[in-house]
Amino acid sequence: AQKITQTQPGMFVQEKEAVTLDCTYDTSDQSYGLFWYKQPSSGEMIFLIYQGSYDEQNATEGRYSLNFQKARKSANLVISASQLGDSAMYFCAMREGLGVLTGGGNKLTFGTGTQLKVEL
Amino acid sequence: NAGVTQTPKFQVLKTGQSMTLQCAQDMNHEYMSWYRQDPGMGLRLIHYSVGAGITDQGEVPNGYNVSRSTTEDFPLRLLSAAPSQTSVYFCASSYSGSGLVRYGYTFGSGTRLTVV
Repeated sequence: AQKITQTQPGMFVQEKEAVTLDCTYDTSDQSYGLFWYKQPSSGEMIFLIYQGSYDEQNATEGRYSLNFQKARKSANLVISASQLGDSAMYFCAMREGLGVLTGGGNKLTFGTGTQLKVEL
Repeated sequence: NAGVTQTPKFQVLKTGQSMTLQCAQDMNHEYMSWYRQDPGMGLRLIHYSVGAGITDQGEVPNGYNVSRSTTEDFPLRLLSAAPSQTSVYFCASSYSGSGLVRYGYTFGSGTRLTVV
């Protein structure tokens, strides 16, 4: 079974609108972390936002927010007020085994990504 | 600037040749990993290390070797290159400890490898 599922291969959004990129995950661990990375056409991987499984508040970083629904195992990325520079591939990723007894976890598992295109 | 340095950025190999992709980080991260990125498949873990002298296999380890003699360096060796290893390779490093995980993995700029 896929550990990270991103069901939207491509998305279009108009400039200044908000967009939600979907991510669902599968784990039996109680302590885990969820990440979103951006990959522009230049190829580098840019860390955007993190949500811990025990974090009570949804994470926010500027225009990025993570809609974390633990019972549904979803961690959707919301980008507000889209800009042309937001056009990129976006990856959801999970790091499991973050509990003290499991040594802090070390493997980051990625979804297949969503290509976002922001239009004028 | 602190970060992860990968070399080379581009490489073309002939089938059967061997080579080493270099990765170095200067952030004193314990965890280091190698990923390959192929179209439509996201990033897949090849090998990873939790500290000097300790390595383990990821999802797609066949055809690759790693070693970690220092905290800073984590080279990836292609033993006998095959066209199926044509890909973009990323090295990444991270803090250990659950309290520092939120800072994420830092990625190198990638190596685009073509095997002909």
